[in-house]
Amino acid sequence: AQTVTQSQPEMSVQEAETVTLSCTYDTSESDYYLFWYKQPPSRQMILVIRQEAYKQQNATENRFSVNFQKAAKSFSLKISDSQLGDAAMYFCAYRSGSSGTYKYIFGTGTRLKVLA
Amino acid sequence: DSGVTQTPKHLITATGQRVTLRCSPRSGDLSVYWYQQSLDQGLQFLIHYYNGEERAKGNILERFSAQQFPDLHSELNLSSLELGDSALYFCASSVAAGEIYEQYFGPGTRLTVT
Repeated sequence: AQTVTQSQPEMSVQEAETVTLSCTYDTSESDYYLFWYKQPPSRQMILVIRQEAYKQQNATENRFSVNFQKAAKSFSLKISDSQLGDAAMYFCAYRSGSSGTYKYIFGTGTRLKVLA
Repeated sequence: DSGVTQTPKHLITATGQRVTLRCSPRSGDLSVYWYQQSLDQGLQFLIHYYNGEERAKGNILERFSAQQFPDLHSELNLSSLELGDSALYFCASSVAAGEIYEQYFGPGTRLTVT
């Protein structure tokens, strides 16, 4: 069975600085997708970035980028130029790419605090 | 606003009772997913429906059931409620199932079992 582990329950970063959130996963599949979701205090789940396992290039969305290390089964999120609005819970998620298996597996989350 | 609606926003009920949570996906989305988020926990995938058919099942209790109707809205039924069922229940929708279309999450229904 696939698992997703976020080993940092909480992280802090100064405004305008860079922070990296860690995520590791375990799977025997070769085709899968990885995601980072943000959950602000409003509890709304917001997709931050996604990565297809077959793509070697790391995904980037504005200030958000990932470091995808497929062999190490690592998928970290880097937030550059941190802003107060980035304060939230961040969840790493995995989804199989196999046909017929569409369930998502989420990590336990990392709470990010942004200090002014 | 994601375009996914969930009703009710809050629900308070007693142990042993049964409740129904409703989800309306975004216009055009055929897939609906249900998740449970207990206090300060990650999301637990419950079940996925695509165009009325069940496509994947997660750790969904036998006391829980779901369905997706012809108009594509979905309902999650929770019965014989226990204190541990208190959680935030999210619904998400996406255009299709197989391809990796983005999931759009609703605002959630907060269930409190007393």
